[in-house]
Amino acid sequence: ETGVTQSPTHLIKTRGQQVTLRCSSQSGHNTVSWYQQALGQGPQFIFQYYREEENGRGNFPPRFSGLQFPNYSSELNVNALELDDSALYLCASSATGMNTEAFFGQGTRLTVV
Amino acid sequence: AQSVTQLDSQVPVFEEAPVELRCNYSSSVSVYLFWYVQYPNQGLQLLLKYLSGSTLVKGINGFEAEFNKSQTSFHLRKPSVHISDTAEYFCAVSNTNAGKSTFGDGTTLTVKP
Repeated sequence: ETGVTQSPTHLIKTRGQQVTLRCSSQSGHNTVSWYQQALGQGPQFIFQYYREEENGRGNFPPRFSGLQFPNYSSELNVNALELDDSALYLCASSATGMNTEAFFGQGTRLTVV
Repeated sequence: AQSVTQLDSQVPVFEEAPVELRCNYSSSVSVYLFWYVQYPNQGLQLLLKYLSGSTLVKGINGFEAEFNKSQTSFHLRKPSVHISDTAEYFCAVSNTNAGKSTFGDGTTLTVKP
C-alpha cells in the first residue's frame, strides 16, 4: 500500500506566475484535502475534493483552484502568485467510511520571489 | 466556526521528564479532536484522535490525551520523553471529517539531554 506522495518537493516561482502542485492519494482513498502551512504556523484548510467534486473550501481566494482526477489524484493550482503564497503545501487523503483519519504527504515547499 | 488554541508555543524539557502540551478548542457542535506530530521538512503524522467514548485516548510513541468537554480541552501528555520526541506538535479539530480540520499554531517540543 503506497502512501500519499506529492510533487515536486521544492519549487521556486516568481511573483505573478502560476504554479501547479500534484498529489497522489493513498491507495483506496477517494478524498483529497489541501492545506497551506506558512512558516511558524499551523496548516490552513484550502479545499477538499471528493469523487472529483469540490467538497468544501476554506478562506482562500479564487486564484487557488483544484482538480481531482478519476484515479483520485489531485492538483492544486495557484494563479498570480504573491510573495505571501510562499509556504509548505500539504495534501491529505482519506477514504469514505474512514473519514476520521487523514494521511498527509511530505508537502511541497513553494517559494515565491 | 471552530478554533484551536495551543497555549504554549515552545516547551523545553529534559530527557525522561514528563510533558504536557496544552490545547483548547471552541466549537458549537460535537467535534473530532486530533494531535499530529511534524518533524523538520516532513508532513504530519497522526499521534492520536478522539472521536467519542472514553475521554482518555492512547496513541503512538507512548503519548496519550484527555478530552475534557466542560473545559473544551484536549491536552497531550507523555510520562517520559526521549530526544527523538523533539518536533512540532499540532492540535486539530473537525466537526465533519479529518480532512477538513482546523489546526492550532503548533507547540515546539525540545527535549534536552
